[in-house]
Amino acid sequence: EDQVTQSPEALRLQEGESSSLNCSYTVSGLRGLFWYRQDPGKGPEFLFTLYSAGEEKEKERLKATLTKKESFLHITAPKPEDSATYLCAAFSGGYNKLIFGAGTRLAVHP
Amino acid sequence: GAGVSQSPSNKVTEKGKDVELRCDPISGHTALYWYRQSLGQGLEFLIYFQGNSAPDKSGLPSDRFSAERTGGSVSTLTIQRTQQEDSAVYLCASSLVGSREAFFGQGTRLTVV
Repeated sequence: EDQVTQSPEALRLQEGESSSLNCSYTVSGLRGLFWYRQDPGKGPEFLFTLYSAGEEKEKERLKATLTKKESFLHITAPKPEDSATYLCAAFSGGYNKLIFGAGTRLAVHP
Repeated sequence: GAGVSQSPSNKVTEKGKDVELRCDPISGHTALYWYRQSLGQGLEFLIYFQGNSAPDKSGLPSDRFSAERTGGSVSTLTIQRTQQEDSAVYLCASSLVGSREAFFGQGTRLTVV
C-alpha cells in the first residue's frame, strides 16, 4: 500500500537554528514528490516538486532534496515567519492522487 | 479568478441534514481534486476530475458523499444525511493537464452538531 510518513510530528526551533524535516515514502512508480506549507486556517501552499533521486530545489531559506526512499526539507537560519505545518505528498503512477503525510508542525521562536 | 475559490468558508449543520460545498478552480485548470482534512490528520483524498473523463471516486468514504463538475469548471461536493464524523475541513485543488502541481483553495470548515 502506498504510504507517506513524516517526522518529526512537531519541531521547535530557535530563530537561526537550522534543521531538517523528513518525509519517507513507499509508493509504486513515483511521479513526483511535493512539499506544501500550510498556515492555520488556510489551504496548503505549494512549495516544491521533485521528480528524481538526487534532485534539489531551493526557495529562500528552504531546500528540498530527494532520494529513492525519502525527501528532506532543510531549513537554514529559520525565522518566526517560517512557523507553519509542512506537508509532504507523493504522486503515485498508478493513481490519480497525491498521497499526503500527516505533516510536521514547525514553530520558530525569536 | 487568481486562485481556487471555495464556498462557504465555514458551515455548521445539524446531524442528518444535507450540505453542498462549492469549488471554483483556477481558470484553465482541467484537473480538480477534493480532499478532506480532519483535526491533526493528513489530507485524505476523496475524488478526482480530469476533463471529460469519468471521475476517480475511489476515495469517497460512503455513498452519502457525491460530487459533480459542471462544464468542466465549478465542482460541488454533496454530503447527504451528515454525521458528526463528517466534521472536517474540505479542500479543493486544481492543476493544469499534464501537471501534478496542485493549487489548493482555503477550504470549507464543516461542523456537524
